[in-house]
Amino acid sequence: KQEVTQIPAALSVPEGENLVLNCSFTDSAIYNLQWFRQDPGKGLTSLLLIQSSQREQTSGRLNASLDKSSGRSTLYIAASQPGDSATYLCATRDDKIIFGKGTRLHILP
Amino acid sequence: NAGVTQTPKFRILKIGQSMTLQCTQDMNHNYMYWYRQDPGMGLKLIYYSVGAGITDKGEVPNGYNVSRSTTEDFPLRLELAAPSQTSVYFCASSYGQGSGEQYFGPGTRLTVT
Repeated sequence: KQEVTQIPAALSVPEGENLVLNCSFTDSAIYNLQWFRQDPGKGLTSLLLIQSSQREQTSGRLNASLDKSSGRSTLYIAASQPGDSATYLCATRDDKIIFGKGTRLHILP
Repeated sequence: NAGVTQTPKFRILKIGQSMTLQCTQDMNHNYMYWYRQDPGMGLKLIYYSVGAGITDKGEVPNGYNVSRSTTEDFPLRLELAAPSQTSVYFCASSYGQGSGEQYFGPGTRLTVT
């Protein structure tokens, strides 16, 4: 059974720093992995989708990598801004879609 | 193009009452999903549909029912509400099998007392 883990559960960093969020999964037989952002009281916004055949995807200041062999994905945020404060969730997809519990990110002005 | 819409935004139910959460998408996606999110937890899949007339159970289907009579609509029915169903419910849709990016609605916050 697939398990998706995100560590740490919460993270605070000063504005301007580069940071990495981690997502690990136990079953490498996935179709894709998707990163989402969730603001308090809101729905999920898709950030990046990495297909199983891909190694990384980039969008603006965000870069997501996927290493299926080690069961890991990372979300890299460059030059962090207070507006990046949110909860970030990853989800793997095979026959089912399994979410991690998220990392709550706080960027300190 | 409104994406995925959900109604209502908030609802309070008494134990034993029933209700339907509505979900509509206008992107012509064949896949639709219902999730629940409890505080401090990730999302758990309740039911999903791969197309009109086809539905299947997810991780936590007990206490819920769904139907998919059109491509656009995927309502979620709670028949006998219980306090354990207090949660935030999200509907999502995607195109294609396996590879499609999921798009989420804004959620329905349900309290059962």
